[in-house]
Amino acid sequence: TQLLEQSPQFLSIQEGENLTVYCNSSSVFSSLQWYRQEPGEGPVLLVTVVTGGEVKKLKRLTFQFGDARKDSSLHITAAQPGDTGLYLCAPKRGNDMRFGAGTRLTVKP
Amino acid sequence: ETGVTQTPRHLVMGMTNKKSLKCEQHLGHNAMYWYKQSAKKPLELMFVYSLEERVENNSVPSRFSPECPNSSHLFLHLHTLQPEDSALYLCASSQDISYEQYFGPGTRLTVT
Repeated sequence: TQLLEQSPQFLSIQEGENLTVYCNSSSVFSSLQWYRQEPGEGPVLLVTVVTGGEVKKLKRLTFQFGDARKDSSLHITAAQPGDTGLYLCAPKRGNDMRFGAGTRLTVKP
Repeated sequence: ETGVTQTPRHLVMGMTNKKSLKCEQHLGHNAMYWYKQSAKKPLELMFVYSLEERVENNSVPSRFSPECPNSSHLFLHLHTLQPEDSALYLCASSQDISYEQYFGPGTRLTVT
């Protein structure tokens, strides 16, 4: 059974701060996706990372896939209240994709 | 209309009722999914359809019955549910099974 852990589980910060959330596993994955889910809505795809060591940037969000393709991180610079939500990682092996429990981020004005 | 839509957005039903959730995707995708999202638990994959054929059924109780009449529509028929079935039910679609998934807004289900 593959273990998938997202940390921290909860994070509450002030507007303007930087933060990093993590997605770790004991298994190697072919790719990994990050989603953000706002209250009362479905998850929205943010990015897909495929290559070990890959870094992708989406405005103030920086996503990195670990060299061994077992883990990933999401760094947000100068967080804003609009970044509030549940951040989910979804690593994939073949056709099998599983979601982590997520990091619930709150950015206070 | 674009994307993935789900109706109803909210549903309250008794344990003896029969109801159906509807999902429609306007993306031309070939695969569709049902997920259950409960408080404090990860997203649970329930059913996967590819080209209208069910390809995965993750030990879901028979009180949940999926139907995929064509590649654009997916239903989840509900009957004799339990209070612990109360959750957000999310539909998603993807180009094919191995591709990125796009989610609908979900149906918030409460079983009384």
